[in-house]
Amino acid sequence: GQQVMQIPQYQHVQEGEDFTTYCNSSTTLSNIQWYKQRPGGHPVFLIQLVKSGEVKKQKRLTFQFGEAKKNSSLHITATQTTDVGTYFCADFLRGSTLGRLYFGRGTQLTVWP
Amino acid sequence: KAGVTQTPRYLIKTRGQQVTLSCSPISGHRSVSWYQQTPGQGLQFLFEYFSETQRNKGNFPGRFSGRQFSNSRSEMNVSTLELGDSALYLCASSPGQEAGANVLTFGAGSRLTVL
Repeated sequence: GQQVMQIPQYQHVQEGEDFTTYCNSSTTLSNIQWYKQRPGGHPVFLIQLVKSGEVKKQKRLTFQFGEAKKNSSLHITATQTTDVGTYFCADFLRGSTLGRLYFGRGTQLTVWP
Repeated sequence: KAGVTQTPRYLIKTRGQQVTLSCSPISGHRSVSWYQQTPGQGLQFLFEYFSETQRNKGNFPGRFSGRQFSNSRSEMNVSTLELGDSALYLCASSPGQEAGANVLTFGAGSRLTVL
């Protein structure tokens, strides 16, 4: 079935350092969504990328969708302790029903003050 | 507007029992999806309901079932509980149709522990 592979699984950074997580697929993605889950919390939608080569920014967060729509990345500039959490990418399977997303395993980010 | 509400938030059951979890979606949202989250398997899709109809089902045994009511509220049931069913069960709602229809808003989850 559809799979999105996410790396790294864990990332520990010092506050102020940058952070990047990558999402890869062997098949073309219809679109890619990113969610953040704080420790003890639930996934919260961050953004959706639809177009090939798309780049979107949210303050210190930059999201990219690959030209071939087989990969995506989330980059955080100058991390803060509030960025702590697990970041998931998710793919909406084309032709599938709307509520069915395939989630990557996530990248757990720890930020040391 | 109010978010997605899940009850109960925490529950402890023993093997062989059954459990029913409830989810109230965002007002106006007609699609409700359920996900199981475990450290070992991550977020896995259980099923999705739209207008009281199950539109899709994940790869889970028949012990896992659900339904949706006319007011879009949904319940999921797990019968004959096993230790491996211990997990965070997340409900997510989406508009179901229209722009942004596949963007999920998750509830806080129901954490089930099976002893």
